[in-house]
Amino acid sequence: GESVGLHLPTLSVQEGDNSIINCAYSNSASDYFIWYKQESGKGPQFIIDIRSNMDKRQGQRVTVLLNKTVKHLSLQIAATQPGDSAVYFCAENIRGGFKTIFGAGTRLFVKA
Amino acid sequence: SQTIHQWPATLVQPVGSPLSLECTVEGTSNPNLYWYRQAAGRGLQLLFYSVGIGQISSEVPQNLSASRPQDRQFILSSKKLLLSDSGFYLCAYQGRREKLFFGSGTQLSVL
Repeated sequence: GESVGLHLPTLSVQEGDNSIINCAYSNSASDYFIWYKQESGKGPQFIIDIRSNMDKRQGQRVTVLLNKTVKHLSLQIAATQPGDSAVYFCAENIRGGFKTIFGAGTRLFVKA
Repeated sequence: SQTIHQWPATLVQPVGSPLSLECTVEGTSNPNLYWYRQAAGRGLQLLFYSVGIGQISSEVPQNLSASRPQDRQFILSSKKLLLSDSGFYLCAYQGRREKLFFGSGTQLSVL
């Protein structure tokens, strides 16, 4: 469910290292999952998505893994760059559904 | 291509004053539209969504209301603002594959 009241957890990585951001979702009926990136003072932007009939999907430098058994989603960023510093949100949706529910978010800091 | 416009970018209002935030979408017809709120350093809370003109679904009972007077216009309002209404308000439309496309947001400070 929504965790809008919680402070954001933080992940700090060295530039060039790989980052892994984790997310637990709540609704077993959700079958579409999205990762968004939010830079300071801006609206979230789509990064990558995955349907529940898949367990892995790759994009450019990003990979999303889905484990439906434990309702867990992760975002892997390869060779993390300073421009990757942002807050990352996972979101869940039911196919064809109107409501997208966001997870708590993780703040990623990339150290040069 | 679709674009979403949201204004104003920043707003400072006294407690008890009214509020009107406007969002418009271009390049698409009959979009699903959304208002989210984000408190400082926290997650996104879905406030309202609309699947058509005059159709509003409220997710959280509160001091705010929404209206959709035209197909591509979504308005967030309040008659009397509270301190707790402060936050970053985001409008979004739903594109293909349920993706959301967000506006640039309005930072509302109620003093």
